[in-house]
Amino acid sequence: QVQLVESGGGVVQPGRSLRLSCAASGFTFSSHAMHWVRQAPGKGLEWVAVISYDGRNQYYADSVKGRVTISRDNSKNTMYLQMHSLRTEDTAVYYCARESSPGAKTDCWGQGTLVTVSS
Amino acid sequence: DIVMTQSPDSLAVSLGERATINCKSSQTFLDTSNNKHYLAWYQKKPGQPPKLLIYWASTRESGVPDRFSGSGSGTDFTLSISSLQAEDVAVYYCQQYYSPPLTFGGGTKVEIK
Repeated sequence: QVQLVESGGGVVQPGRSLRLSCAASGFTFSSHAMHWVRQAPGKGLEWVAVISYDGRNQYYADSVKGRVTISRDNSKNTMYLQMHSLRTEDTAVYYCARESSPGAKTDCWGQGTLVTVSS
Repeated sequence: DIVMTQSPDSLAVSLGERATINCKSSQTFLDTSNNKHYLAWYQKKPGQPPKLLIYWASTRESGVPDRFSGSGSGTDFTLSISSLQAEDVAVYYCQQYYSPPLTFGGGTKVEIK
């Protein structure tokens, strides 16, 4: 069945970097755009970034633009989120999600990985 | 950016009664080629990932109980739960997926009265 598994979260100091991974299985990963969405403690859902099926196009939320890079390795069925210059406000559970078809719904989500930015 | 505004922030409904959640967007996102609105509704429970309930504003995702329904057009959309069950206690979010940055509403917390 379709499965998305995030990893790479943890506790990191402000200003440091972290790379999250999203391993996909159960579907043709290279055919789907993929998203990152986060939820800070006690807050709502916030869309972070999207990458096209072939990795050629990426879009970012203003809150992370310039500090975050989304990428993917279709040979490894894995998507990444490289985060730099982390801030306390980046503390959140980060979810990866699959876009079902171009410009359509995000229908499958991972369980999330917690990133805590704290000194 | 498209701003999504949900109301109310929270509501308490008796078991078996109807719950209605509203979502208003700052601009329309209708694809005139297929007459579809790029709006989704998600259910979020603590410790769980978001669950897709409704897409294209009114299409129920496979496996979602038919007590959940979506409606609306233009800039005003609604999620209804026709007969609230205990397992429906959650926070509900609308989202536009018309163009990046994709944006969520602030969420509506549904509780049992």
